[in-house]
Amino acid sequence: QKEVEQNSGPLSVPEGAIASLNCTYSDRGSQSFFWYRQYSGKSPELIMSIYSNGDKEDGRFTAQLNKASQYVSLLIRDSQPSDSATYLCAVGAYSGAGSYQLTFGKGTKLSVIP
Amino acid sequence: EAGVAQSPRYKIIEKRQSVAFWCNPISGHATLYWYQQILGQGPKLLIQFQNNGVVDDSQLPKDRFSAERLKGVDSTLKIQPAKLEDSAVYLCASSTPTGLGGELFFGEGSRLTVL
Repeated sequence: QKEVEQNSGPLSVPEGAIASLNCTYSDRGSQSFFWYRQYSGKSPELIMSIYSNGDKEDGRFTAQLNKASQYVSLLIRDSQPSDSATYLCAVGAYSGAGSYQLTFGKGTKLSVIP
Repeated sequence: EAGVAQSPRYKIIEKRQSVAFWCNPISGHATLYWYQQILGQGPKLLIQFQNNGVVDDSQLPKDRFSAERLKGVDSTLKIQPAKLEDSAVYLCASSTPTGLGGELFFGEGSRLTVL
């Protein structure tokens, strides 16, 4: 059973601060890693994808991947109240049947305090 | 480009009744997924289709849930009879994985309340 673990939070940060979200995964064969943002009552939307070790930056977001430690993180710089949402870590891998699937963590709820 | 379409958005039924959800994926996406998201949890995969064939339904409660994807495009997820614990949002997603894999595109979801 593939597992993706996240702290459920809530994580509260003041406006303008850096929010740090973490995720670990169990399947060493995982090949792709995603962070989705989900506002209350809405569907998940992709904000970052990362496929190789290291950092990937996109605007205020930085994703970090360490496959040896089976660890993925998301940093949000200059946090804004509009960043308040649940952040889902998702890990992609091919199953034994050859199908590609994403396994999701339970999500971390982030609150940015004005 | 049109996104993933789902209907109905909301449905309230009593336990032991039946319900069906419909999904139309992004044009050209061969892979279609149905996920169940219970409040406070992450999405859980129920069933995955590649074109019109099932590639994984290992987490689908087959005694009450069924799904089909006719002609490799639209898909329907049915629950019969519904239980209280089926209250959740049912998310349809589609993708066109390449190489290392790709992102999933989600519909708005169908929120089911079982009373």
